[in-house]
Amino acid sequence: GAGVSQSPRYKVAKRGQDVALRCDPISGHVSLFWYQQALGQGPEFLTYFQNEAQLDKSGLPSDRFFAERPEGSVSTLKIQRTQQEDSAVYLCASSSTLAGGRDTQYFGPGTRLTVL
Amino acid sequence: GNSVTQMEGPVTLSEEAFLTINCTYTATGYPSLFWYVQYPGEGLQLLLKATKADDKGSNKGFEATYRKETTSFHLEKGSVQVSDSAVYFCALYSGAGSYQLTFGKGTKLSVIP
Repeated sequence: GAGVSQSPRYKVAKRGQDVALRCDPISGHVSLFWYQQALGQGPEFLTYFQNEAQLDKSGLPSDRFFAERPEGSVSTLKIQRTQQEDSAVYLCASSSTLAGGRDTQYFGPGTRLTVL
Repeated sequence: GNSVTQMEGPVTLSEEAFLTINCTYTATGYPSLFWYVQYPGEGLQLLLKATKADDKGSNKGFEATYRKETTSFHLEKGSVQVSDSAVYFCALYSGAGSYQLTFGKGTKLSVIP
């Protein structure tokens, strides 16, 4: 079946631009996670949704980062006024249960954001 | 806070060699432990996991044992193949009101014929 998809796969933005990154989770998966992965590092947690509810946004690095999942399926991560330090791969993952990080997460291929 | 420390790579092995990738952790309570793998050009995928002390996770010839006394979850494989070349990430989930996975920095493995 279809896995987690993300778009665009690559995004180049000029400093100060706003960007929107999309995640399509596996159909029926109730949990959705966003991670930020800098070059040579492991993924770092950004935020967690259970259906449409954003239960944990403790990892969002600043108020320029905003995520939503209005209908409990597709999610969008928005970054306003991008800075060079936002350059990273943004990963989306979904899981089928309400167990948070305990359950197996299925990852998308990521969106590589480069801010010039 | 929670943290995961992995041995630094890259690791280069010949085919059929024995593999160990060390992972130690710091966490409150009784975390669940995971190894995720990222093959070239693919997304992260779960390799194995263990949810309590002394559990052994295994998959595709890889094994890791949850050692609470040494706070470790080392990944091992008796005979690696070229197809095992990938980046391996150790991760933990502590629960206790948190939903997030905490990852190590990753260890890149290259297996040469």
